Amino acid sequence: ETGVTQSPTHLIKTRGQQVTLRCSSQSGHNTVSWYQQALGQGPQFIFQYYREEENGRGNFPPRFSGLQFPNYSSELNVNALELDDSALYLCASSLEGLGTGSSPLHFGNGTRLTVT
Amino acid sequence: GDSVTQMEGPVTLSEEAFLTINCTYTATGYPSLFWYVQYPGEGLQLLLKATKADDKGSNKGFEATYRKETTSFHLEKGSVQVSDSAVYFCALSKTQGGSEKLVFGKGTKLTVNP
Repeated sequence: ETGVTQSPTHLIKTRGQQVTLRCSSQSGHNTVSWYQQALGQGPQFIFQYYREEENGRGNFPPRFSGLQFPNYSSELNVNALELDDSALYLCASSLEGLGTGSSPLHFGNGTRLTVT
Repeated sequence: GDSVTQMEGPVTLSEEAFLTINCTYTATGYPSLFWYVQYPGEGLQLLLKATKADDKGSNKGFEATYRKETTSFHLEKGSVQVSDSAVYFCALSKTQGGSEKLVFGKGTKLTVNP
């Protein structure tokens, strides 16, 4: 069983640029969630995708956007990067989708984004 | 809004010491509660969970009991090992609209010395 994989592992960008982060969900999982983890903080929910549709969003501006593909892999796009976007971005997949409760999230190892 | 408060770290213990990491939550309804662990350079791994009041989650010698009356979910282990050194996150699940998300505490870094 393949776990959640994220790419790249590290990335350095300049303020104002755009970035795309990628995530392959665990085999059989149809739901992908993205979290931002700033240094020394707990992860914060960005959004969730279920069967290619966004079905929930945290308190992040529209310049954070995403996609989910038919194979359930996902992308996180961030436009107009700001210094505060520097963080570890975590992708998590799960089996169930629409608010059905206790399906555990399986996290990838994250992408470390540094904005200079 | 919903939130999770963990004891601030870092926590440093000697091997075989008793561990408690306090966690309290504020939430509407009856969320599921979780402990996740993050080893250096890795993502989060689910350590244990409890889905209703008085449930006890346990795994790898760690335990936590869902206490509705005190809105707490403290993590305990009777005898820690060096390999337990990691950052521990308490979290609750919240269903909003059609999605379920986790609300995390800030994390507690544990270092176990031999």
